[in-house]
Amino acid sequence: EVQLVESGGGLVQPGGSLRLSCAASGFTFSSHEVNWVRQAPGKGLEWISYISSGSTIFYAESVKGRFTASRDNAKDSLYLQMNGLRAEDTAVYYCARGPLCPYDYWGQGILVTVSS
Amino acid sequence: SYVLTQPPSVSVAPGKTAMMTCGGDNIGSKSVHWYQQKPGQAPILIMSYDSDRSSGIPERFSGSNSGNTATLTISRVAAGDEADYYCQVWDSSSEQVVFGGGTKLTVL
Repeated sequence: EVQLVESGGGLVQPGGSLRLSCAASGFTFSSHEVNWVRQAPGKGLEWISYISSGSTIFYAESVKGRFTASRDNAKDSLYLQMNGLRAEDTAVYYCARGPLCPYDYWGQGILVTVSS
Repeated sequence: SYVLTQPPSVSVAPGKTAMMTCGGDNIGSKSVHWYQQKPGQAPILIMSYDSDRSSGIPERFSGSNSGNTATLTISRVAAGDEADYYCQVWDSSSEQVVFGGGTKLTVL
């Protein structure tokens, strides 16, 4: 069974940093492209980042220069390093399997709250 | 940047047909994907590449894409179809994945 499990969320002050992880299981992680998507409370979906099975990475303009996505195929894990966090980064963050689009499997999501 | 426009809400009586649109500049030249999201749950892919239903999605769900509008159609709507629906495309010119703002489907 394909599973994606996010962790590392929580409360952080504006300007702070947080690192999210996404543990994959049930499939050959190294062969698959993955993405980060977020959803602010009561709002719609927003794509954040894409990582290919190789080294290609794309970012949304809203996070470019502040967020860094990476993967460790040996650990079947995806990461999102978030720096310079702002109140508007408050959201549920999902990892999702798939090419640039579409995404066939999603994690359950993890809440990140940026507030003083 | 590329923008996808979805009506915020659509209401339909049970057993009737719901049509949810996703507008974008020459969207017919792109592949459109649709997700269903119920409260407190992660989105699920229901339609990919304009009209390919995901496994387990009833035939009542269909998709089309032409010109400046893509459409997700749900026939014989049931209470269990009540959810938010999002369209998605890849805009190669800006190298950005774009989601529409979402449509809340209410079954009356």
